[in-house]
Amino acid sequence: DAEITQSPRHKITETGRQVTLACHQTWNHNNMFWYRQDLGHGLRLIHYSYGVHDTNKGEVSDGYSVSRSNTEDLPLTLESAASSQTSVYFCASSEAGDTSEQYFGPGTRLTVT
Amino acid sequence: AQSVSQHNHHVILSEAASLELGCNYSYGGTVNLFWYVQYPGQHLQLLLKYFSGDPLVKGIKGFEAEFIKSKFSFNLRKPSVQWSDTAEYFCAVNAPFSGGYQKVTFGTGTKLQVIP
Repeated sequence: DAEITQSPRHKITETGRQVTLACHQTWNHNNMFWYRQDLGHGLRLIHYSYGVHDTNKGEVSDGYSVSRSNTEDLPLTLESAASSQTSVYFCASSEAGDTSEQYFGPGTRLTVT
Repeated sequence: AQSVSQHNHHVILSEAASLELGCNYSYGGTVNLFWYVQYPGQHLQLLLKYFSGDPLVKGIKGFEAEFIKSKFSFNLRKPSVQWSDTAEYFCAVNAPFSGGYQKVTFGTGTKLQVIP
């Protein structure tokens, strides 16, 4: 069965370190998204991609970057981790088209100390 | 820019009670609307969606939602909740733009707690 996976599932890192969160989908979806989930804020869009070599900034992109070198993967990099980036991160993918639902990964809980 | 409001942040109901969760969006054009559910410790999954046709949409597990264009609303309902409905519910809006691309905006979520 097709799926979307994230790794690691839990990560503790120190302030200032670079961290990369992996997202891999086997749906063959063009669209991929990264969100962070925080109490009181729901899901906020960090970055998104509509296809290989395409990346776009979301509403909370500062301090994060993504790259899309193939259809399956959209890694999220925190350039220099900050305590404010402690959160649960969800990756999602969808087919092209504005009525398509998003399929979510299991999430990565990141703690920055 | 589109935005989504979920006014109820935390709802507590007894089993068999009826449920209605509010969702209002701000966008003047055509929209696609979604409700997602996140059970404790799990990832988000789709409950139902509306993009055209009958404004009353039925989803999984007995949930339904009604799109009222004049009120910019897409409220989620269930006639009789069960303990297993305890979860967080997210309303989402996608205002399509050229090329069929999508950028979905999520509400802040409503936590539903069902007491046996």
